[in-house]
This record gives sequence, structure tokens and C-alpha cells, in this order.
Amino acid sequence: GAGVSQTPSNKVTEKGKYVELRCDPISGHTALYWYRQSLGQGPEFLIYFQGTGAADDSGLPNDRFFAVRPEGSVSTLKIQRTERGDSAVYLCASSLGRGSSSYNEQFFGPGTRLTVL
Amino acid sequence: GDSVTQMEGPVTLSEEAFLTINCTYTATGYPSLFWYVQYPGEGLQLLLKATKADDKGSNKGFEATYRKETTSFHLEKGSVQVSDSAVYFCALTDYGNDMRFGAGTRLTVKP
Repeated sequence: GAGVSQTPSNKVTEKGKYVELRCDPISGHTALYWYRQSLGQGPEFLIYFQGTGAADDSGLPNDRFFAVRPEGSVSTLKIQRTERGDSAVYLCASSLGRGSSSYNEQFFGPGTRLTVL
Repeated sequence: GDSVTQMEGPVTLSEEAFLTINCTYTATGYPSLFWYVQYPGEGLQLLLKATKADDKGSNKGFEATYRKETTSFHLEKGSVQVSDSAVYFCALTDYGNDMRFGAGTRLTVKP
């Protein structure tokens, strides 16, 4: 079956611009996660959705970052007034969610590489 | 908060050598532990996992045992191949919310 997909695979933007990154989770997965991976580092948690609601957004670095999941499936990560320090690979993952014996196994997408010039 | 510390790389081995990548964790609850692998140009893939103390996860010849007494989850393989060259990440999640990752260990296997 289809895995987690993310678009675009690469995004180059200029400092100060607005960007949107999209994630399509595995069908039937109720939990969705966003991570940011800087060069040479492990992924860093940003936000977690259970269904449509953001259950934990404690990893968002500041109010320029926002994510939505209006219908409980596709999610969009939005970054306003981008800065050079936002350059990283943004990863999305999904899992079955609570109530499943495998609820905490996360499946990752290929990522979106964001470059802010 | 919960965290993972893994052995710094890079690690370079000859084919058929024994591999150990150390991973220790700090957690307030009873986390599930994972090893993920990132092959060149590819996304993160789950390699193996263990959900409770003394569980052993295994896959593709790799093994790791969940040791609560030493808070460790070291990755081992008896005989590495060139195709095992990748970056390996140790990770944990406590309640299935955020996954906490180590910094990654780059493994290069030479023929």
C-alpha cells in the first residue's frame, strides 16, 4: 500500500517569504507528526495531531510555524516570514493512533528539503 | 524530559566485521525503543523496535535488547555488509506522541 507522501520534495524560497509543506499520511492512520531534521542531526519533534486536533504543539519553535489537519487526513505545515535558520528537511510521519497495540510505531515520509536563501 | 544519547560517529568497518552502536536513554515512564535507518538518498525506515524491558528487537541480522537496568538499547550485527552503510538513529517514544531521536551514527562499511 501507499506510504506517507510529502510534497514538494524540494522547496527553495527567499528570506521573508511564506511556505506551505504538505503531508499525506497512510490511509487509516489517525495520528500525524511533523519533525524537522537539520544537517547532521536527528529529527526534532514539532507537532502531533490526533485526528483533526493538535494534541501537542510544544515542539513548534515560534509563532511563525503553524500546522493544520482540517479533515483528519492531509496536513499542511505553514511557515511565515521564513528565515535562513529554517532551512532543514521537514519530515512527516503517521501512526495508527491510540487504541492500537502498534499505536506508537511511526512511519515516515521522504521529507521536504526546505532551503531559505 | 525524555532523551536519547547515542554513540557518535562516523564508524568505519570492513565487511564481515562486528558492529555495535551504543544507545542509552532517559525517560520518566516506560518508553518504547526503536532503531531507524536512513540509507543514502532515502527516508527514515524502521529497523527494529522493543516495547518493554528485556524484549529483543531483530531485523536483517541486526539486534537490540531493551535493558531497563542500564537504560540501554545497543544495536548489534555480527557481520556487516557494504549495503549496511547508512545513518542509524536510536529513538524512543513514551506515550506515542513525539519521538525523541539521537543525533545519528553514520556507518560506512568498506569491502
